[in-house]
Amino acid sequence: DGGITQSPKYLFRKEGQNVTLSCEQNLNHDAMYWYRQDPGQGLRLIYYSQIVNDFQKGDIAEGYSVSREKKESFPLTVTSAQKNPTAFYLCASSINRGGSRGETQYFGPGTRLLVL
Amino acid sequence: GENVEQHPSTLSVQEGDSAVIKCTYSDSASNYFPWYKQELGKGPQLIIDIRSNVGEKKDQRIAVTLNKTAKHFSLHITETQPEDSAVYFCAASNPPDKLVFGAGTILRVKS
Repeated sequence: DGGITQSPKYLFRKEGQNVTLSCEQNLNHDAMYWYRQDPGQGLRLIYYSQIVNDFQKGDIAEGYSVSREKKESFPLTVTSAQKNPTAFYLCASSINRGGSRGETQYFGPGTRLLVL
Repeated sequence: GENVEQHPSTLSVQEGDSAVIKCTYSDSASNYFPWYKQELGKGPQLIIDIRSNVGEKKDQRIAVTLNKTAKHFSLHITETQPEDSAVYFCAASNPPDKLVFGAGTILRVKS
């Protein structure tokens, strides 16, 4: 089956701790994205990557970090600098054809992060 | 940058009735408009999308219309069923490698 997997489904963070959320895709997509979703709100972009070894900050990057060492993987680290990390985190991927054409993003099942 | 507004925030309809959700966008350069359905505790799933060179697109009970002049697009669901109950998000691509999402609409279909 082709798709996007995220793990774990639930993650608990202690104060001062860094935690890493996993995102893997086997769709052969070049672009990958991380979003944060708070209750009753839309999706806000944290980081995105159009190609391996390159990534850009989204609208709410402070307190987060990412890496893109492999095409299939785009892990997100929630650092201790993120003071309000409790949220639902969604990973997505899309084809990157370049140019001015917008592309469909396909989402994973999400990881819910809770603070102890 | 792009701003997407979505209305209503909640919508209750009787089973079999139609549901309409509307979105407006601010940047006339946006050219791709997907709609997603999100069930509780799950990731959003694409249900239909439209590009700026098309005015309307249909897929069974779901249709999307786009008015580029007025910068708004709408989702229409006919013959609603209880399994249509979910949160629906609109989005606009601007620049092409990013999507800007609306705040979402909670649709409740009462049987």
